[in-house]
Amino acid sequence: EIVLTQSPGTLSLSAGERATLSCRASQSVSSSNLAWYQRKPGQAPSLLIFAASSRATGVPERFIGSGSGSDFTLTISRLEAEDSAIYYCQQYGGSPWTFGQGTKVEIK
Amino acid sequence: QVQLHESGPALVGPSRTLSRTCSVSGGSVNSGRFFWSWIRQSPGNGLQWIGDIYASGNTNYNPALKSRVFISIDTSKNQFSLSLRSVTPADTAIYFCARGGAGGRYFDSWGQGAPVTVSS
Repeated sequence: EIVLTQSPGTLSLSAGERATLSCRASQSVSSSNLAWYQRKPGQAPSLLIFAASSRATGVPERFIGSGSGSDFTLTISRLEAEDSAIYYCQQYGGSPWTFGQGTKVEIK
Repeated sequence: QVQLHESGPALVGPSRTLSRTCSVSGGSVNSGRFFWSWIRQSPGNGLQWIGDIYASGNTNYNPALKSRVFISIDTSKNQFSLSLRSVTPADTAIYFCARGGAGGRYFDSWGQGAPVTVSS
């Protein structure tokens, strides 16, 4: 099973700043089969990024996915108040599909 | 736009079977482009993939739960269902149904999720 470790646990930044979230896999994720989700309180997770760097339909351009192998990054270029949420990565390169434990982004 | 809605008992007794149904609207579970999944999140824990099913009925389960899980699909009702046998308090979680993406095993649409408690 591929274990995903996300860091930091919590990120507290001001609106307009850049957020950099890390997702590290215990082994290489084949074909960059990695996704990112946003989850706001009381809501279901929402797909942001798939295939490491492809934005899902309707996702703002400020959300940028990058990386390959075992190191992946989600960058939010200019934080907005509505970006306050928990962000999860998920690998689907090898079964069972697994998720990271999440990074909480707080807007000061 | 596809919507998914979970239903089922919110309280299940230990050693009983947990059952959830996901009703799909705005799309068809009979579409060969997608697959249909169950995912859960336990209190204080992360997200755990439970299993997938295709319209054909082919399934794929998480090995950690495989001995207790059964996922079925009813194309006539546009629904798919989860059964988890012999539950313990460790199975207390929010259970989500989701649609798997056409391009890979990520999840592009999710139900709201519903908490299920295992307790006597």
